[in-house]
Amino acid sequence: GNSVTQMEGPVTLSEEAFLTINCTYTATGYPSLFWYVQYPGEGLQLLLKATKADDKGSNKGFEATYRKETTSFHLEKGSVQVSDSAVYFCALSRSNKLIFGTGTLLAVQP
Amino acid sequence: NAGVTQTPKFQVLKTGQSMTLQCAQDMNHEYMSWYRQDPGMGLRLIHYSVGAGITDQGEVPNGYNVSRSTTEDFPLRLLSAAPSQTSVYFCASSYLAEETQYFGPGTRLLVL
Repeated sequence: GNSVTQMEGPVTLSEEAFLTINCTYTATGYPSLFWYVQYPGEGLQLLLKATKADDKGSNKGFEATYRKETTSFHLEKGSVQVSDSAVYFCALSRSNKLIFGTGTLLAVQP
Repeated sequence: NAGVTQTPKFQVLKTGQSMTLQCAQDMNHEYMSWYRQDPGMGLRLIHYSVGAGITDQGEVPNGYNVSRSTTEDFPLRLLSAAPSQTSVYFCASSYLAEETQYFGPGTRLLVL
């Protein structure tokens, strides 16, 4: 079946550190891939997406590349800020369903 | 443009009570869906709809009913609440399932 696996948290970083949150997927065919972010007390909002192999999604300094050969969509940012503290969800869309990973809590300290 | 709205924000129920969680969107989206969010589980799809009059089950549909009589509204009904349904519920909408989904602010439900 279709599933998403992302690294467990929490991830604690100092401001300006490099961020990687790993995400791998299992899916039939070629799903669209997403990263959503949830700030405290809010709903989810789209951070970035990629719809086909080798596409790179980017937004607010975050990037992720759709790697079909490794079935991965790792999230990266070169220099995190305190305001990036949130829960990050990797997700895939297939057959009218959006399937989420369990989420990774990121805490950035000043 | 309000986006996706959900009511109520917070609800306490007793076991066996019924209630309806409301969801509405003003973006003319065909696709709408309901998720529950539990610690360590991510978001799990309960039910979804690809257009008015069409609904289907997601990953965890038991104990929940939906209907879609209009494009704008997609209510979620709990027929007989159980403590296992204590969760945060999110409604989302999009033009198509494969496109960006827009989430409401959530309803926090506590079943005693």
